[in-house]
Amino acid sequence: GPKVLQIPSHQIIDMGQMVTLNCDPVSNHLYFYWYKQILGQQMEFLVNFYNGKVMEKSKLFKDQFSVERPDGSYFTLKIQPTALEDSAVYFCASSPDWGDDTQYFGPGTRLLVL
Amino acid sequence: QQQVRQSPQSLTVWEGETAILNCSYEDSTFNYFPWYQQFPGEGPALLISIRSVSDKKEDGRFTIFFNKREKKLSLHITDSQPGDSATYFCAASGGGGTGNTGKLIFGLGTTLQVQP
Repeated sequence: GPKVLQIPSHQIIDMGQMVTLNCDPVSNHLYFYWYKQILGQQMEFLVNFYNGKVMEKSKLFKDQFSVERPDGSYFTLKIQPTALEDSAVYFCASSPDWGDDTQYFGPGTRLLVL
Repeated sequence: QQQVRQSPQSLTVWEGETAILNCSYEDSTFNYFPWYQQFPGEGPALLISIRSVSDKKEDGRFTIFFNKREKKLSLHITDSQPGDSATYFCAASGGGGTGNTGKLIFGLGTTLQVQP
């Protein structure tokens, strides 16, 4: 099936540093999502993105978070500065069209903030 | 408040048996319910989904039964195989379209173990 790639698979950084998580969505998809999963807890929606704009963000999407997809390249989630509670697995997802709800997920980036 | 609930938290069945995973939801505006299968270290993979206009969706050994009045649904896995051992997430969405952005609300998951 369609593949979403995420880079890197793991990232360890010190608290206060900046981190950028990269997502390579399915090539013809138009809608992009980030979700956060803490071990043992449910996957939670962070933000979705279409046509260069954030469509909706949750309360977990703090001011330190930002997303962009410059010139059709990677869809990125940037956290600046990071905090200990940002340690989690971050999943990127993409979906093709407004009328198609199917979201395809990447393998996740495991972020550890020390 | 959890909008999507799953039970049981974990389930063990023997190979060949039918596994039944349950899900319930709060928000009556939800109209799209995908089930995702996740193996350790991997991302969730869409298994099967249903819309609220249907009461049943079947795909091979996987069947969703949906009860809109009671806001409940279940995933039945017939002839369970050891390779089905994974965590299964029920999710819900208001779907795409005006006023909706397609975000998925996930349950906590059911971890299924199929014993050979």
